[in-house]
Amino acid sequence: GAVVSQHPSRVICKSGTSVKIECRSLDFQATTMFWYRQFPKQSLMLMATSNEGSKATYEQGVEKDKFLINHASLTLSTLTVTSAHPEDSSFYICSARSFGRGAFFGQGTRLTVV
Amino acid sequence: DAKTTQPPSMDCAEGRAANLPCNHSTISGNEYVYWYRQIHSQGPQYIIHGLKNNETNEMASLIITEDRKSSTLILPHATLRDTAVYYCIVDMDSNYQLIWGAGTKLIIKP
Repeated sequence: GAVVSQHPSRVICKSGTSVKIECRSLDFQATTMFWYRQFPKQSLMLMATSNEGSKATYEQGVEKDKFLINHASLTLSTLTVTSAHPEDSSFYICSARSFGRGAFFGQGTRLTVV
Repeated sequence: DAKTTQPPSMDCAEGRAANLPCNHSTISGNEYVYWYRQIHSQGPQYIIHGLKNNETNEMASLIITEDRKSSTLILPHATLRDTAVYYCIVDMDSNYQLIWGAGTKLIIKP
């Protein structure tokens, strides 16, 4: 079964509202999780690294005030897209690494801002 | 930048073996070769990984050359559900993010 669970899988929201995406590691503790964004026909682009108990590390060009990341426990990280706009519509994916087993990914969240 | 090069696309007939090549000529001694695949609108799926020896699991086989500068992922009996983008990544077994290249789009044809 899946070792990283991401929810919701699809969400449609109105422009200006906020959306929260959850990512859970089910059978291992993840001190670090990664949030990616993927546009159609493109590879994954890292947005930020989520660190349990501390602030996330954002990639260049990613607005930390817009994409709020919280990693309050060893099994849960959340990404909140604040004041969403249509250009934020994308496929968001979380990931966590498990030593000796590689990286595992959530199912992805298709966000559509209307 | 990605440390691997892969062909952008490949076709394979259903039921035949699909052999996906990957070049990683700058791989270092402590880096593993990982293979993932991504089916449309889903998160990437782990397939297999290896360091030096060839590896096999229920999904695929991984053949790594003796000099470790290239590898081949083998799907022994491809089905239509194996149509996906396959990513070859080299990385240490660490807690850092993986560097993603463009991958190979594999199309399985009936």
